[in-house]
Amino acid sequence: AQTVTQSQPEMSVQEAETVTLSCTYDTSENNYYLFWYKQPPSRQMILVIRQEAYKQQNATENRFSVNFQKAAKSFSLKISDSQLGDTAMYFCAFRAPLTGNQFYFGTGTSLTVIP
Amino acid sequence: DGGITQSPKYLFRKEGQNVTLSCEQNLNHDAMYWYRQDPGQGLRLIYYSQIVNDFQKGDIAEGYSVSREKKESFPLTVTSAQKNPTAFYLCASTPSPGGLLETQYFGPGTRLLVL
Repeated sequence: AQTVTQSQPEMSVQEAETVTLSCTYDTSENNYYLFWYKQPPSRQMILVIRQEAYKQQNATENRFSVNFQKAAKSFSLKISDSQLGDTAMYFCAFRAPLTGNQFYFGTGTSLTVIP
Repeated sequence: DGGITQSPKYLFRKEGQNVTLSCEQNLNHDAMYWYRQDPGQGLRLIYYSQIVNDFQKGDIAEGYSVSREKKESFPLTVTSAQKNPTAFYLCASTPSPGGLLETQYFGPGTRLLVL
């Protein structure tokens, strides 16, 4: 079974500062895909960023970037220049060809940006 | 506008009653998913369907049933056998089952409460 672990249930950051959310996963597969989703208070899930395991270069989307460490099975999300609109639950997710194309989600990290 | 709609936004269930949550998408996506979200537990997969007239159980299928008679529709029935149905239910879709880098698109969710 695939497991995704987010060890930080809650985090806070000052506006304009940088914060890193951690995610680790357990798999025996070599080919897989990783995602970070954001769920704001409206509860609408939104894709933040995604990474293919065979790509060594870390993905970046504007203020959001990942630190993908394949050997350590770690996939952390860095948010730079935090904004009030970044306040949300953040979920890490894993997907692999040999697991029926299912998405496996972590338990989430609740991030609060403090003005 | 293309997207996923879920109805109703709030649903109340009486003891021993079956209720059905609606999920419709006009994205022409092949795969559809149902998740249950409880505080501190992230998203757990109930059922998923990769093609019309076919679906598979997820990790917590007991007490739930689905159908996929049309590509755009994937209703979820919460039966009386589900003893703790109070939760937030999310429907999602992906363009094709094999497109692994493709993200899931989510509906706005249905909040189910037991009276």
